[in-house]
Amino acid sequence: GIQVEQSPPDLILQEGANSTLRCNFSDSVNNLQWFHQNPWGQLINLFYIPSGTKQNGRLSATTVATERYSLLYISSSQTTDSGVYFCAGLPWGSNYKLTFGKGTLLTVNP
Amino acid sequence: DVKVTQSSRYLVKRTGEKVFLECVQDMDHENMFWYRQDPGLGLRLIYFSYDVKMKEKGDIPEGYSVSREKKERFSLILESASTNQTSMYLCATRQGRPGELFFGEGSRLTVL
Repeated sequence: GIQVEQSPPDLILQEGANSTLRCNFSDSVNNLQWFHQNPWGQLINLFYIPSGTKQNGRLSATTVATERYSLLYISSSQTTDSGVYFCAGLPWGSNYKLTFGKGTLLTVNP
Repeated sequence: DVKVTQSSRYLVKRTGEKVFLECVQDMDHENMFWYRQDPGLGLRLIYFSYDVKMKEKGDIPEGYSVSREKKERFSLILESASTNQTSMYLCATRQGRPGELFFGEGSRLTVL
């Protein structure tokens, strides 16, 4: 199966700082999502972004499908941004199974 | 908005008990999934269903079974709970392939 590598594994920021999270895929995917897992364990959808760039408030994401990576940008971070960020992709050869990265643990300090 | 509801947020069960975890979605999605999440192991797929009464094994189906009698409901069953099934269980749904995956709130199960 494909490998999904997320970097960095851990990130500590001061409130107000900007950050970039990266997701690399070992093979092409035709479905890519970013999630935020909050402290209660719920996975919240951030972006469904097989290609291109999307923005939602302080967050934006860019996927370069031909180079098999995606970036998540967080600007003016807030303490509520803390949690684990996951990317996941559906390989071209797979009917159903999304492959998840191990996540980036983000801590935003006041 | 898609709503995926899991029946219990927190459960405590004893070894050997039969455990039912239920998931209900309100968006008429074709596909439904059960994952478990453990520290250091990430999210692992237990079972998925692509239609009513249809199911396929995921990566770790041992010790679990599932039921999908109606399109909106997907149940995960632990026939005889064991301590190594203590985990966070996450239900998810998707309309089709490809498509956006949506998760429920999660059910944290402790087996004593």
